[in-house]
Amino acid sequence: GAVVSQHPSWVICKSGTSVKIECRSLDFQATTMFWYRQFPKQSLMLMATSNEGSKATYEQGVEKDKFLINHASLTLSTLTVTSAHPEDSSFYICSAGGLTYNQPQHFGDGTRLSIL
Amino acid sequence: AQTVTQSQPEMSVQEAETVTLSCTYDTSENNYYLFWYKQPPSRQMILVIRQEAYKQQNATENRFSVNFQKAAKSFSLKISDSQLGDTAMYFCASNFGNEKLTFGTGTRLTIIP
Repeated sequence: GAVVSQHPSWVICKSGTSVKIECRSLDFQATTMFWYRQFPKQSLMLMATSNEGSKATYEQGVEKDKFLINHASLTLSTLTVTSAHPEDSSFYICSAGGLTYNQPQHFGDGTRLSIL
Repeated sequence: AQTVTQSQPEMSVQEAETVTLSCTYDTSENNYYLFWYKQPPSRQMILVIRQEAYKQQNATENRFSVNFQKAAKSFSLKISDSQLGDTAMYFCASNFGNEKLTFGTGTRLTIIP
């Protein structure tokens, strides 16, 4: 149980294009999902909290116009990196937090984004 | 500020031996959860074990156990009979009473054949 699917797992695209990453909870409903960014050999950095039916909450220093988050249903959140540039290249991971705070977060497999 | 600190960037141990990974944290909250996550080279984050702060009994999951010292704000992970598949990055984390997770910087563990 508690499976989170993230797609795509790897994407390479040209500078200036927009990339959409999907995060789905397959066997449970997730009112809250989280998006993280991870640089090589570093820890996970929380980018934003995605709330079903409302606007995402972004962490300080994260550009909301650059990283668009949509959480239109209880099983799907999307992260769109708009007008991506090489500095946006990174590993992006989503997680689903469940309905109560004491449930552990379950993570997707991550998306490796490479901007040429 | 609520923080999680892992002071061991890298560790290595011979297969079948026992290894302990350290984690300390700082919070003024009384009710929270602590977690250890494993990130193998495939980079998927896998929950290893979790501990409820209001429970004194240390959590165990097969070869994995924790030493939770609430007063000292310490939460170490012990891996017994280590296996090659245990090679990974290990992250200590806490939700500090809310939905967000705060992660430590990680410990890279290598199991030597």
